[in-house]
Amino acid sequence: GAVVSQHPSRVICKSGTSVKIECRSLDFQATTMFWYRQFPKQSLMLMATSNEGSKATYEQGVEKDKFLINHASLTLSTLTVTSAHPEDSSFYICSARERRGEAFFGQGTRLTVV
Amino acid sequence: QKEVEQNSGPLSVPEGAIASLNCTYSDRGSQSFFWYRQYSGKSPELIMFIYSNGDKEDGRFTAQLNKASQYVSLLIRDSQPSDSATYLCAVNGWNNDMRFGAGTRLTVKP
Repeated sequence: GAVVSQHPSRVICKSGTSVKIECRSLDFQATTMFWYRQFPKQSLMLMATSNEGSKATYEQGVEKDKFLINHASLTLSTLTVTSAHPEDSSFYICSARERRGEAFFGQGTRLTVV
Repeated sequence: QKEVEQNSGPLSVPEGAIASLNCTYSDRGSQSFFWYRQYSGKSPELIMFIYSNGDKEDGRFTAQLNKASQYVSLLIRDSQPSDSATYLCAVNGWNNDMRFGAGTRLTVKP
């Protein structure tokens, strides 16, 4: 299948700092990228959907000023967690798809805010 | 009503048996359906996708779709212990987003 690379795989940051997570589609043009958050033993929660060149569409309850999403090119989307707090600690996963095809997932980023 | 519903399990089957995983969805306009497998601590990986009513087979996996009943299932034949994982059903919505069910945890016992 197609390859989606997510970086970093693991990050520890201090409370109040910002963290940027990158998601790249390596061998296809990702017209749509999705960002999910997953707490231990829970399901994937869709945070936002972003189409290349457009503003991201955030799910209800997700603060767009706290979780900044940029999808400036067909191969790269970034999620920035601003002013991170311990409750933001989670597993963040991106996925990318070309048009309406299947979505492929990045490896995930385990964020720990101390 | 949740948009995509799955039994959370756990579903336990003996090695060699058929595992049957079910999923229902609420958006009647949904066009494409996906099954992902997620091992603990890892991100999901695509197993199969299905767009048309009926069955689609790929090796030991068969996806079944019934749009009239808003139902999609995954059958795993000759289940192996390595199939033990959480299986996620995903549905492509009307606005091109992709929504997941809560997942069904499958355990295949040797």
